[in-house]
Amino acid sequence: ETAVFQTPNYHVTQVGNEVSFNCKQTLGHDTMYWYKQDSKKLLKIMFSYNNKQLIVNETVPRRFSPQSSDKAHLNLRIKSVEPEDSAVYLCASSFGTGGTEVFFGKGTRLTVV
Amino acid sequence: GDSVTQTEGLVTLTKGLPVMLNCTYQTTYSPFLFWYVQHLNEAPKLLLKSSTDNKRTEHQGFYATLHKSSSSFHLQKSSVQLSDSALYFCALRANSGTYQRFGTGTKLQVVP
Repeated sequence: ETAVFQTPNYHVTQVGNEVSFNCKQTLGHDTMYWYKQDSKKLLKIMFSYNNKQLIVNETVPRRFSPQSSDKAHLNLRIKSVEPEDSAVYLCASSFGTGGTEVFFGKGTRLTVV
Repeated sequence: GDSVTQTEGLVTLTKGLPVMLNCTYQTTYSPFLFWYVQHLNEAPKLLLKSSTDNKRTEHQGFYATLHKSSSSFHLQKSSVQLSDSALYFCALRANSGTYQRFGTGTKLQVVP
């Protein structure tokens, strides 16, 4: 049963457009993450929020901005997408940070044409 | 800094054979290691985790032992099944303690 929900599942857009992805978790977790999975399946941390506070921003280009309205929601906005942004964006959550099981959503596949 | 290394990109095995997927790590803090499995078009899911030296942890037929002396946390199974075909990630709690750093992943392909 998926408890981390992401929308949309897929998105195709042109270079230079703005996109937004939504994520909601129903597990009552206090920490949420965005990971990027590229075409080689590499999983890289982008952002982490703990109790709505940004705690990790891992050398992500400035066109990426996370937004957290509460502990259960973490959205991702990309201003002016570029071809290298094509990837699967995985939202995840956990109790606490780092040392506990991370639950992932199914991801949003972004294709930039 | 911290890092996690998976040396095999692809492992192809015949059903019924044993498997070992390698994972080594570097960290300046007490290590906390994880194995996640990602089936095709699915989300990664936790398979195993450990922070205890020399203690075997098992789940769904898979097992691993954290060895601090060799900085390793290899994943093993005695007899692979077709349904084990998936992408396996080793992950390490980052030095900052604020997220998990993932290895490059090993694709396990089990053939009849």
